[in-house]
Formats: sequence, structure tokens, C-alpha cells
Amino acid sequence: GEDVEQSLFLSVREGDSSVINCTYTDSSSTYLYWYKQEPGAGLQLLTYIFSNMDMKQDQRLTVLLNKKDKHLSLRIADTQTGDSAIYFCAESKGGSQGNLIFGKGTKLSVKP
Amino acid sequence: KAGVTQTPRYLIKTRGQQVTLSCSPISGHRSVSWYQQTPGQGLQFLFEYFSETQRNKGNFPGRFSGRQFSNSRSEMNVSTLELGDSALYLCASTPRGASYTGELFFGEGSRLTVL
Repeated sequence: GEDVEQSLFLSVREGDSSVINCTYTDSSSTYLYWYKQEPGAGLQLLTYIFSNMDMKQDQRLTVLLNKKDKHLSLRIADTQTGDSAIYFCAESKGGSQGNLIFGKGTKLSVKP
Repeated sequence: KAGVTQTPRYLIKTRGQQVTLSCSPISGHRSVSWYQQTPGQGLQFLFEYFSETQRNKGNFPGRFSGRQFSNSRSEMNVSTLELGDSALYLCASTPRGASYTGELFFGEGSRLTVL
């Protein structure tokens, strides 16, 4: 199938690390993405990883890619209440630049 | 640089009516994609336009159509509205090009409610 799968909810305490997992389907995807959506807003790109990389770190964000298992994860270190949002994993369909396949999103709740 | 602008932000229509949504991409971006976001189905790709040509189309009925103008602005139209068309419609623009990483720049969306 074409589904990108991710768990729907994650709750963590402020200061802890958050790990959001995703499985994707298209092995030809050149890039894989993590987007963030805050209430009432559109999506904003958090980070992306090129398919020939295993890991990418960007400040508090770490992306891990396991191509064999088609598994992508996003780790947010020192999670803050401002990180509360919905996080979407996405892959490019057949390499098409404008057509991304999104997961249904993981709602991250950060408790003080 | 101004972001992606979508109008109207909110609208209410009744079944059977038609609606046109507008999207102005970031200056210099020539590709515009449209997505439908609903709680049940999540984000689903509608279509992508580049240089006034539809490049990709998602799995939506023919009631959903779009177009792109020479200034890269885009519109989408939904005819004969159904209750299930209630959704947040998101537009995204991209610069494209050889170094392009596939990042989509999203607008804040047009929230359509069909009664």
C-alpha cells in the first residue's frame, strides 16, 4: 500500500526526550521529511533527510533512517511545552517533488 | 519574503454549491500543490501545477479541479459540494530546480465547511 504509518499520540514531560516513529513505503523516495503543524496553522518543515544518510542532527532534532526496514524516527531532545504540536512524517511519491505522502500525524503533548 | 497566501481563510457553503479557493505562492516559486486535510483521512494530495500545467493529480473525483496562472497563482474549484468535502485545504509552493530538496512551503489553509 501507499500508507505512511505513525502512531497518533505521544505524551512526554517537559525536559524529557520525545521519539516519534514512522514507517514509509516507497523505497524510491529521495528525501524523507518531518513537518510540524501547530493549531490553526499550516505545516512547517522541521527537517529532512536524504535517503543515502542514516542520521541527521539539527540542534535538538535527530533524525534516524533505517532504509532496510523503511523506518524513520524523529527525536526531540529537551522537549519544551512549545513543542506541543502535530508532527507529520512524509515521503516523496516516486520522486515527485510536489506530491508528498504524509502520515496521519503524531500529536505530541508536553506536560510541564 | 511574504509566505504562501491563501484566501479565503474560512468559508461556509451548502451542499450542491461550488467553491473557488485561491493561493498565491512565495515570490519566485513556480510549483503549487494542493492538499486536503481531514481528521479521518489526514493529508491527501490533490494536484500539483508547474508552469500553468498540471503535473500530478491525486485520487479525487472530477469535481475537484484546479488551474495555475502565468504569475504562478493558483486556484482550486470544487463543484457540487458534498458534506464530506468539509476540510482544511492547504496550498504549498516550491521553487523546484536541480538543487531542490522537496521542501513544501505551506499556507495557513482555507477551512471549508459544507452544511
